Amino acid sequence: DAKTTQPTSMDCAEGRAANLPCNHSTISGNEYVYWYRQIHSQGPQYIIHGLKNNETNEMASLIITEDRKSSTLILPHATLRDTAVYYCIVRVTNSGGGADGLTFGKGTHLIIQP
Amino acid sequence: EPEVTQTPSHQVTQMGQEVILRCVPISNHLYFYWYRQILGQKVEFLVSFYNNEISEKSEIFDDQFSVERPDGSNFTLKIRSTKLEDSAMYFCASHARLVSTDTQYFGPGTRLTVL
Repeated sequence: DAKTTQPTSMDCAEGRAANLPCNHSTISGNEYVYWYRQIHSQGPQYIIHGLKNNETNEMASLIITEDRKSSTLILPHATLRDTAVYYCIVRVTNSGGGADGLTFGKGTHLIIQP
Repeated sequence: EPEVTQTPSHQVTQMGQEVILRCVPISNHLYFYWYRQILGQKVEFLVSFYNNEISEKSEIFDDQFSVERPDGSNFTLKIRSTKLEDSAMYFCASHARLVSTDTQYFGPGTRLTVL
């Protein structure tokens, strides 16, 4: 799996959009970008994933650059409950081949300020 | 919404004792995983399981660890002789492995404390 680089921590005001960047300059053509988050020692929670098109779901939007070397996770209206560590993970989708595990980095600690 | 459950939430044991951590994956999922997270460190993959056998394991998953799916619902992680360094949160995850929902869903974790 390609390596990702994320800022160690970020602050965002409650109600504003939180934009979390991720660099994955060595991403391969068949690798997806996944985002998970972990709220204070709870189990990681899936947020969103994408290949090359921008994606949106009820939790967030994912913007992937045209060269796919970086992406941004957007939480449109951050709340205090969005304070968590956010992980950007690049990997081949599991729809074929072995059941390989996720490789978590250190992620970005997002702190939502009231 | 279906979810992965884990028991117990907290397990305290003496060094050298055997522990079994239990997980109930989401019912229609076919792939099962264990991860651990030592306090203040990254989440680390331990093992994946499919079709009643280990699919992949990390170098952490040595002979002290074993996994089993004893019935149609439970998925267990056994540590034969616990060491102090086994103290960690242990997360179970499951996966349907469909193209449209290719994500792993994690349980709330079991906090293992080895004294």
